[in-house]
Amino acid sequence: QLQLQESGPGLVKPSETLSLTCTVSGGSISSSDSYWGWIRQPPGKGLEWIGSVYYTGSTYYNPSLRSRVTISVDTSKNQFSLKLSSVTAADTAVYYCARRDWSDRIPSIYYFDYWGQGTLVTVSS
Amino acid sequence: DIQMTQSPSSLSASVGDRVTITCRASQSINNYLHWYQKKPGKAPQLLIKTASRLQNGVPSRFSGSGSGTDFTLTISSLQPEDFATYYCQQSYSALTFGGGTKVEIK
Repeated sequence: QLQLQESGPGLVKPSETLSLTCTVSGGSISSSDSYWGWIRQPPGKGLEWIGSVYYTGSTYYNPSLRSRVTISVDTSKNQFSLKLSSVTAADTAVYYCARRDWSDRIPSIYYFDYWGQGTLVTVSS
Repeated sequence: DIQMTQSPSSLSASVGDRVTITCRASQSINNYLHWYQKKPGKAPQLLIKTASRLQNGVPSRFSGSGSGTDFTLTISSLQPEDFATYYCQQSYSALTFGGGTKVEIK
C-alpha cells in the first residue's frame, strides 16, 4: 500500500521560504505511472493545487503560484519536495502531498488517488 | 482559469436520504471532473474519477454523472460515515477545485 508522509517546519516567518518534503513508502517514486503533487488547504477554505513533478524532474505548476514555487524530486531518497518563496500569512495552510495516477496516459485525466495526512504550516513572525 | 462552482455549499440530511451535489464549470471540461470526500483532520479521499468512474474500494452508493459543464455527485442512501465535505476538481486546464459542499446531520 502506497503511503506518503509530509515533513518540515510548522512555522515560517513572513518573506521567508517554506520548505516541505514528502517521503513515499510502499512504492517507488520512479514509477512511470505516477506524478507527485502538492495541494494545500488554508484554514476554513477549500483545496488549492500547487504543482506536480514527475520522477524525471519535469514539473507542472499552478499558474497563480508559479513565480514562487519550486518542486523537485530525489529518487535516491524516494522523496519529493516543495519550496514556496516570499511567504505571507495567506500561505498559512495544511499542505498535502499526493500521487497522481498516470496509468491512463491521458494528460487531462489528472486526479490524486493517494494522499499524505497533511501538515499545518503557519506563516507568522 | 476554469472556475468550479459547487451547490449547495452545505446541506443537512438524515441517514438513509438520497443526496445530490452539483458542480458547475465556467467552461466545458469534457468529463475531466473528479470528486473527493474530506473529513476534518483527514486527507481527501478520491471517490469518483472522470465524472462517473467509481474509485476502487469506494462504496457503490456513491455515483457521479455529467459532462461538459454540469456534474452531479449522488449518494443513494446516506450513511453515518458519509458526513463530510465533498469537493469536485477539474483537470481540463490546470487543476482547480470547487469550493466544497458540507454534508451535515439533520
